[in-house]
Amino acid sequence: TQLLEQSPQFLSIQEGENLTVYCNSSSVFSSLQWYRQEPGEGPVLLVTVVTGGEVKKLKRLTFQFGDARKDSSLHITAAQPGDTGLYLCAGESNFGNEKLTFGTGTRLTIIP
Amino acid sequence: GAGVSQSPRYKVAKRGQDVALRCDPISGHVSLFWYQQALGQGPEFLTYFQNEAQLDKSGLPSDRFFAERPEGSVSTLKIQRTQQEDSAVYLCASSLVGGLADTQYFGPGTRLTVL
Repeated sequence: TQLLEQSPQFLSIQEGENLTVYCNSSSVFSSLQWYRQEPGEGPVLLVTVVTGGEVKKLKRLTFQFGDARKDSSLHITAAQPGDTGLYLCAGESNFGNEKLTFGTGTRLTIIP
Repeated sequence: GAGVSQSPRYKVAKRGQDVALRCDPISGHVSLFWYQQALGQGPEFLTYFQNEAQLDKSGLPSDRFFAERPEGSVSTLKIQRTQQEDSAVYLCASSLVGGLADTQYFGPGTRLTVL
């Protein structure tokens, strides 16, 4: 069974601070995706990383895929209240099946 | 066009009742997925369709769970003889053609509460 562990599970910081969320696994994934989920809604895709070592930036968010494609990180610079939500990483295996294996989630709260 | 829609948004069932949850994917999307999300957890895969073919049902927790997509568009997830442990949000997602790193678009989910 492929497992994706996220840390921290909960994070509450002041507006303007920086933060990093980690997503770790013992399994190799062919791609890894990050989602944000608001209460009462489905997850919304933020980014997909495919190549080991890949770094992608989305405004104040920086995503990195580990060299071995087993782990990933999400770094947010100068966090804003609008960043509040549940952040989920999800891995896609290389077995020809498109199903996603989701991480345990990081609930982020930005305090104004 | 419209995104993925699900109905009902909320369902309360008494233990032992049967329920049916509906998913309308984005028009033209070939792949359709069902996930179960327990409170405070990440979604867990249930089953996957490519058009009308159910290619993977390895995540269905028991034979009380059944999914279908008879015409390759709308899908229904049916749970028979509901149990309290079935309480969760059931998410549906669709993707255009499938394949590696194809974007899955999620619906808002159906929150099922079994009393």
